[in-house]
Amino acid sequence: AQKVTQAQTEISVVEKEDVTLDCVYETRDTTYYLFWYKQPPSGELVFLIRRNSFDEQNEISGRYSWNFQKSTSSFNFTITASQVVDSAVYFCALSNDYKLSFGAGTTVTVRA
Amino acid sequence: GAGVSQSPSNKVTEKGKDVELRCDPISGHTALYWYRQSLGQGLEFLIYFQGNSAPDKSGLPSDRFSAERTGGSVSTLTIQRTQQEDSAVYLCASSLVVTDTQYFGPGTRLTVL
Repeated sequence: AQKVTQAQTEISVVEKEDVTLDCVYETRDTTYYLFWYKQPPSGELVFLIRRNSFDEQNEISGRYSWNFQKSTSSFNFTITASQVVDSAVYFCALSNDYKLSFGAGTTVTVRA
Repeated sequence: GAGVSQSPSNKVTEKGKDVELRCDPISGHTALYWYRQSLGQGLEFLIYFQGNSAPDKSGLPSDRFSAERTGGSVSTLTIQRTQQEDSAVYLCASSLVVTDTQYFGPGTRLTVL
């Protein structure tokens, strides 16, 4: 069975602060994929990143960065210098084939 | 290019009625997925299609739920004899091939009165 845990239910920050979202996963598979999706108030799930289990390199995309550590089964996401437009629910997800298993999501509120 | 589209965006129905939800995947995507998002259950996988075939229907909550895909494109999720617990947002996604990144549509919000 696969499981994704996002322990933080809600995070509130002031604009320009950094925010880190935690994601811990469980799987028995050696090949798997990890994802982050953003769900803004409009409701649509927006793809942010996909990482396979054999690639532990950290990734940076603009103000977003991701830290993948197999040793701790974690795939954490950091938003640097947050902006009001970053306010959304963020989901971490795990897949070994076709089925995405999602965490419960973390609601991020960025206050001006 | 166009993303995944779903219709209707909102559907209000009475308990016991049947409803049909439609999904148009990204052009050229061979795999299509249905998920349900509800307050109590989070995001749940329902079913996926590879072409017109549905190899895994294990996520469908009951035999009142069915789905089909025709022409390797449009998919319809049908809920018969709707119940209040069916109220949720139904999300459709597609990917180029199975195991590839899934791109989601805007969802259909279903409310069963």
